[in-house]
Amino acid sequence: GQQLNQSPQSMFIQEGEDVSMNCTSSSIFNTWLWYKQDPGEGPVLLIALYKAGELTSNGRLTAQFGITRKDSFLNISASIPSDVGIYFCAGRNYGQNFVFGPGTRLSVLP
Amino acid sequence: DSGVTQTPKHLITATGQRVTLRCSPRSGDLSVYWYQQSLDQGLQFLIQYYNGEERAKGNILERFSAQQFPDLHSELNLSSLELGDSALYFCASSVAQERDEQYFGPGTRLTVT
Repeated sequence: GQQLNQSPQSMFIQEGEDVSMNCTSSSIFNTWLWYKQDPGEGPVLLIALYKAGELTSNGRLTAQFGITRKDSFLNISASIPSDVGIYFCAGRNYGQNFVFGPGTRLSVLP
Repeated sequence: DSGVTQTPKHLITATGQRVTLRCSPRSGDLSVYWYQQSLDQGLQFLIQYYNGEERAKGNILERFSAQQFPDLHSELNLSSLELGDSALYFCASSVAQERDEQYFGPGTRLTVT
């Protein structure tokens, strides 16, 4: 079946630094979603992408739909302590259910 | 607040027992999805319902079942519980149209002792 890989698995950064993470698939997708999950809470939708090459921002977050349609990228600028959490990507093709990646765990050091 | 509600928040029960988890989707959403998340793991898709009918099945055990009622709320039934069933169970809902983002509820933490 379809699988998503997320890189890096975990990262430790200093407060104020920029963060980059990505999600890759063995299959072509036509929708990518990015979620953030705090411990013990439900995932919160951050950004939705629907078109290859699309670049969408949500505050300090920017996500891109890769032009190959097999990857997506999430960037966080000027990280703050509340950015700590697990970031999940999800992708799908029309008529199919979303497949979720294993997540990138972000830790921010003061 | 995503607009998806789940009850109960926490559930502690013994092996062999049966429990029911409840989910109310966002207003206007016809599709409900159930996911299982074990400790420090990703989200495992269990089952999807659309407007009362089963739409897709994932890695759902035969001991587990679900249904969606006419008012669109959904219940996930877990029976003959085992220690390994301890996990967070999330419900998500969507409008099930072309632009089909899923919105997650706060989850139910199930502990089987």
